[in-house]
Amino acid sequence: TQLLEQSPQFLSIQEGENLTVYCNSSSVFSSLQWYRQEPGEGPVLLVTVVTGGEVKKLKRLTFQFGDARKDSSLHITAAQPGDTGLYLCAGAGWTSYDKVIFGPGTSLSVIP
Amino acid sequence: KAGVTQTPRYLIKTRGQQVTLSCSPISGHRSVSWYQQTPGQGLQFLFEYFSETQRNKGNFPGRFSGRQFSNSRSEMNVSTLELGDSALYLCASSLSRGQDTQYFGPGTRLTVL
Repeated sequence: TQLLEQSPQFLSIQEGENLTVYCNSSSVFSSLQWYRQEPGEGPVLLVTVVTGGEVKKLKRLTFQFGDARKDSSLHITAAQPGDTGLYLCAGAGWTSYDKVIFGPGTSLSVIP
Repeated sequence: KAGVTQTPRYLIKTRGQQVTLSCSPISGHRSVSWYQQTPGQGLQFLFEYFSETQRNKGNFPGRFSGRQFSNSRSEMNVSTLELGDSALYLCASSLSRGQDTQYFGPGTRLTVL
């Protein structure tokens, strides 16, 4: 059974601090997505990483896909209250028969 | 391009009733997946439809069912509602199956009393 783990489960930081959240698995994925979800809303796609070792930047957010395509990290620089939410990673398989696997999420709270 | 839409956004039902939720995918997307999200269990996969056929199914009882229409719109049905069915039900669409990135709708918040 494929599993994705995320750490930490909860994170509460002050505005302006930096943080990194992690997504790990023993499985190899063809691609990995990061989503942010606000309470009562659906997850919103932030990025898709496809190539092992790939780094993508989205303003203050930096995403990295591990060389072995089993893990990923999300680094936020100078966090703002608007970054508050549940961060979910999702791994895609290699065939059209594979299900997308979601991690349990990291709940981030940025305090003004 | 319009995003994924789900109706209704909120629903209150009582135990034993049944409910139907609707999802319209992004135009051109042919795959629709359904998820149940609760605080304790996170996102749990219900099923995936592609070309009007169920292609994948999660570990949910037969009370949970769905279908997809020729225009890719999808519905899911839950019969004989239980208190534990209270959750946010999310629909996600993608161009094709498996490897394609999924785009989520805003969800339907179901409360069972």
